[in-house]
Amino acid sequence: GAGVSQSPSNKVTEKGKDVELRCDPISGHTALYWYRQSLGQGLEFLIYFQGNSAPDKSGLPSDRFSAERTGGSVSTLTIQRTQQEDSAVYLCASSLGQGAYNEQFFGPGTRLTVL
Amino acid sequence: ELKVEQNPLFLSMQEGKNYTIYCNYSTTSDRLYWYRQDPGKSLESLFVLLSNGAVKQEGRLMASLDTKARLSTLHITAAVHDLSATYFCAGWGAQKLVFGQGTRLTINP
Repeated sequence: GAGVSQSPSNKVTEKGKDVELRCDPISGHTALYWYRQSLGQGLEFLIYFQGNSAPDKSGLPSDRFSAERTGGSVSTLTIQRTQQEDSAVYLCASSLGQGAYNEQFFGPGTRLTVL
Repeated sequence: ELKVEQNPLFLSMQEGKNYTIYCNYSTTSDRLYWYRQDPGKSLESLFVLLSNGAVKQEGRLMASLDTKARLSTLHITAAVHDLSATYFCAGWGAQKLVFGQGTRLTINP
């Protein structure tokens, strides 16, 4: 079956522009996670959704970052007024349910470059 | 707050040799995960370790978990070039995966 997909695969933008990153989870997976992978910070958690709700937004680095999920499926991570330090690979993962007992499956990531 | 530390961060080894990557974590974690990442690719799940004393093996890789020591190991036996990748361990803390820094493994012919 289809895995987690993300789009675009690569995004180059100018500092100050807004970007939207999309994640399509595996069908039937109710939990969805966003992570960021950067050279200086390693792999860090950003936000997760259970259904359409985001119980934990603690990992969002600033108020320029926001995310939503609609219909319990697709999620969009939006970064406003991008900065060079936002350059990273943004990974999405989904799982059948939330919690340690549900394996997360990762998408291919979106590589964001802010010039 | 769960913290996960791996060592070494970089490992260069010869084909045919054995080596171990260590993963220490700071507080109780319900599970311990190992992932592989090839350059430019996403994370591939290797092992999920559920309880103290758990040992799992797949080919030349073997992972174990000691919850009392808060330590997991990934052992590589008779390394081959195809195992060159970055390996991450992760624990489960506060409703999310917490990753180690990753170990970049290079296996030379």
